Amino acid sequence: QKEVEQNSGPLSVPEGAIASLNCTYSDRGSQSFFWYRQYSGKSPELIMFIYSNGDKEDGRFTAQLNKASQYVSLLIRDSQPSDSATYLCAAPGSIGNMLTFGGGTRLMVKP
Amino acid sequence: EPEVTQTPSHQVTQMGQEVILRCVPISNHLYFYWYRQILGQKVEFLVSFYNNEISEKSEIFDDQFSVERPDGSNFTLKIRSTKLEDSAMYFCASSERKTSGGQDTQYFGPGTRLTVL
Repeated sequence: QKEVEQNSGPLSVPEGAIASLNCTYSDRGSQSFFWYRQYSGKSPELIMFIYSNGDKEDGRFTAQLNKASQYVSLLIRDSQPSDSATYLCAAPGSIGNMLTFGGGTRLMVKP
Repeated sequence: EPEVTQTPSHQVTQMGQEVILRCVPISNHLYFYWYRQILGQKVEFLVSFYNNEISEKSEIFDDQFSVERPDGSNFTLKIRSTKLEDSAMYFCASSERKTSGGQDTQYFGPGTRLTVL
C-alpha cells in the first residue's frame, strides 16, 4: 500500500522566517511529487511539483527531493501570514495518475 | 486563467437518495478525476477517467458510485443510495497528460460539499 506521510503540525513560524515542511513516501516507483496548499474549507491549490533529485525553486518556494531517502520537502522563505494553511504532499503511483496525498502539515505564520 | 468548475457548491440530501455532482474540467485536459475529503481527513482518490472510460479506481469507488462524461464539457459523479458516511467535500480535478517525467499536474476544482442527513 502506497503511503505518503507528513507531520500534522501545527508548525508555527514568525513572519519573515523560513518554514520547512517535510514528507516521506513509501513507493520507490513514484517519479514526481506535488505540493498543494489548502486553506480551510477550500480545495487544494498547486504550488509546485518536482521530479528530479535536488532542488527546484519558484519564487519564495523551494522543493527538495531525495529519492534515495524517499523524502521530499518544501521550504517557504520570507513566510507571510497569508501562507498560513495546510500543505499537502502528493505522489502519483508508478503506473497511472492517481495521487496519494499525505495528511498535510498545518502551517501558522505569526505576524 | 482556465480553471476547473464544480456545481453545486453545497448539496444537502437525505440518506438513501441519489445525487449527481457536476464538474467542467479545463478544456484541453484529457484526464479527469474525482477525490473526496471527509472533514479533518486526507484527500482520497476515487476514480480517474480517460478516453471515455474509467482508467483507475480506488476501493472506495464501489457500485454505489459511477462517473460519466455526458457531453464534451461536463464530467459527473453519481452517488446512488447515499449514506451518512458519504458526507464529505468532493473535488474534481483534471490534467493534461505529459509523457515525460510523470508531470501530470492535476488542477482541482473548488469542490462540492455533500451533506447527507
